[in-house]
Amino acid sequence: QVQLQESGPGLVQAAQTLSLTCTVSGGSISSGNYYWSWIRQPAGKELEWMGRIYSSGAAIYNPFLETRVAISRDSSKNQFSLHLSSVTAADTAVYYCARLVSTLIFDFWGQGILVTVSS
Amino acid sequence: QSALTQPRSVSGSPGQSVTISCTGTSTDVDAYNFVSWYQHHPGKAPKLIIYAITQRPSGVPSRFSGSKSGDTASLTISGLQAEDEGDYYCCSFRSTNPYYVFGPGTEVTVL
Repeated sequence: QVQLQESGPGLVQAAQTLSLTCTVSGGSISSGNYYWSWIRQPAGKELEWMGRIYSSGAAIYNPFLETRVAISRDSSKNQFSLHLSSVTAADTAVYYCARLVSTLIFDFWGQGILVTVSS
Repeated sequence: QSALTQPRSVSGSPGQSVTISCTGTSTDVDAYNFVSWYQHHPGKAPKLIIYAITQRPSGVPSRFSGSKSGDTASLTISGLQAEDEGDYYCCSFRSTNPYYVFGPGTEVTVL
């Protein structure tokens, strides 16, 4: 059973960079036809897909966030990370990492981590 | 970004059936048979319960079923049980980036 766990600071100062890590167990992020994604949900709003990274390291981002977001991976630690720059209060949200199968199905998710942007 | 449309809440008594709709557009729900549904209990990881409109992953009870007509997909829970209480989100693949769009979630209450 694949498991994902988000980690990182719960509080980030405005204008700084938000960085989160997703640790994957029960499967390798470097193999298989899997993509690894970040999804977030601001309070009272819908889930928003932020981007995905393939086992090869190729990444695609939500164009509404593209200038601020980057996803990277560390295969040796079986982790992938999210970096969101120049954060504002609008970036306060629960952030989830998830595995994406065949580009179509988010089959495993982490439990999410609340990140608050403070001014 | 345009999100999918879901009812805010639905409710039913144990044993009854409830249906949650998920309405999109010609570039997502209507264009592809790639709608998935997720069950979420607060503080826990969202769980995939339906993919590709009608398919259930291994281990998901058969009381969960999905369908689609035009730009609207639906999730039906037949024989509602207390543990079915929670939030349910739909998601569709889109023809253009951002490639995935979600609904706002529907709260299911078992009376």
